[in-house]
Amino acid sequence: DTEVTQTPKHLVMGMTNKKSLKCEQHMGHRAMYWYKQKAKKPPELMFVYSYEKLSINESVPSRFSPECPNSSLLNLHLHALQPEDSALYLCASSQPYRDSRYGYTFGSGTRLTVV
Amino acid sequence: GNSVTQMEGPVTLSEEAFLTINCTYTATGYPSLFWYVQYPGEGLQLLLKATKADDKGSNKGFEATYRKETTSFHLEKGSVQVSDSAVYFCALSGLIQGAQKLVFGQGTRLTINP
Repeated sequence: DTEVTQTPKHLVMGMTNKKSLKCEQHMGHRAMYWYKQKAKKPPELMFVYSYEKLSINESVPSRFSPECPNSSLLNLHLHALQPEDSALYLCASSQPYRDSRYGYTFGSGTRLTVV
Repeated sequence: GNSVTQMEGPVTLSEEAFLTINCTYTATGYPSLFWYVQYPGEGLQLLLKATKADDKGSNKGFEATYRKETTSFHLEKGSVQVSDSAVYFCALSGLIQGAQKLVFGQGTRLTINP
């Protein structure tokens, strides 16, 4: 299994809603990532988990809350989002974080619209 | 800090034309270099990679050579197809703040006309 699976593929939520994005991989990768991608822009790193521990938070607002329940799963909990948070949210995984040779495997993303 | 600069798009070519997308980088240490492709409505797929100087990455007819002397990793393909239409991202990976981080260029949108 060489895939990263993200659910849901599309999500529309109101500014007062609470929702979660889910990501799963079964490649034995021990680093997992959340990226945000706006239209016609490159992905921007949000969070890095290494061995199930949060190692990087790129100054992301607290309305985004990541969680890594185990080595295969990564969640992004959303609460009180703003319309400008509408974007494609990408999950990725990689080999142990100190090895930079292999790049990342990306999921197909969740397209989020905040209304 | 680490950064990647790609040629600005969009790039429009006819089928069977030769493709070059330029990519240069600035980095400390010895980063690994990647090309990712993003088809409409999809996530990013790794197209090819190179992990040290003079390495050539290749896949699906695309090639790129890690040139340390010119800090470049240009993407080339000898004969493009309509199905190659996508956005291409050059990226480098290295240790930053004690963890691996992937730094992307701005992306180049490629359109191939039949």
